[in-house]
Amino acid sequence: DIQMTQSPSSLSASVRDRVTITCRASQNIGRYLNWYQHKPGKAPRLLIYAASNLQSGVPSRFSGSGSGTDFTLTISSVQPEDFATYYCQESYGGSFTFGQGTKLEIQ
Amino acid sequence: EVQVVETGGRLIQPGGSLRLSCAASGFTVGSTSMTWVRQAPGKGLEWVSIIYTGGNTDYADPVRGRFTISRDNSNNTLSLQMDSLRGEDTAVYYCARVAQFYGSGPTFDYWGQGTLVTVSS
Repeated sequence: DIQMTQSPSSLSASVRDRVTITCRASQNIGRYLNWYQHKPGKAPRLLIYAASNLQSGVPSRFSGSGSGTDFTLTISSVQPEDFATYYCQESYGGSFTFGQGTKLEIQ
Repeated sequence: EVQVVETGGRLIQPGGSLRLSCAASGFTVGSTSMTWVRQAPGKGLEWVSIIYTGGNTDYADPVRGRFTISRDNSNNTLSLQMDSLRGEDTAVYYCARVAQFYGSGPTFDYWGQGTLVTVSS
């Protein structure tokens, strides 16, 4: 199975900071990489699909990049509603493996 | 508006069985793939099972042979039959619609808020 490793596991930031989260796949997955946002007690939300495509309705401050094994999610200017846990997920190997998550906290 | 709502979670003893349901609105479950994902307490998201548009199904190794995914087109619902439950199955279970965007693999685009399953004696 494909393993997905995110870094960091947690991150402290202030409003208007630029934040980058990294995700690494254990093998080449092309651009078959999605990013989700999850807040406690809420439904997870799709942010980015196919590595860099912004899901409809997601603010443009979110962006994704990468291909092969290395991917990043960037929030250009963190807003109060962005404090949440972020997960990457591969959609290449049929096991739909998620990264372990990155918790974005208020500094 | 696309929406999915999970029900059926409760406290159940180890070895027991439980059936989760996911009611869909705003789309037809028979015309799309659907999936279940779970989150154990204090842990991350873990994919559980998928049913594809054509009816093929797949499962994560920890649940294969114990869980069964199905759909009821007449009621527009997705189900997850969970048998031989174990403590490690304790989790919030989420239902999600699966989208197939151009250039992308299966992507989970609409999720419910989940239903809690607690396996304990």
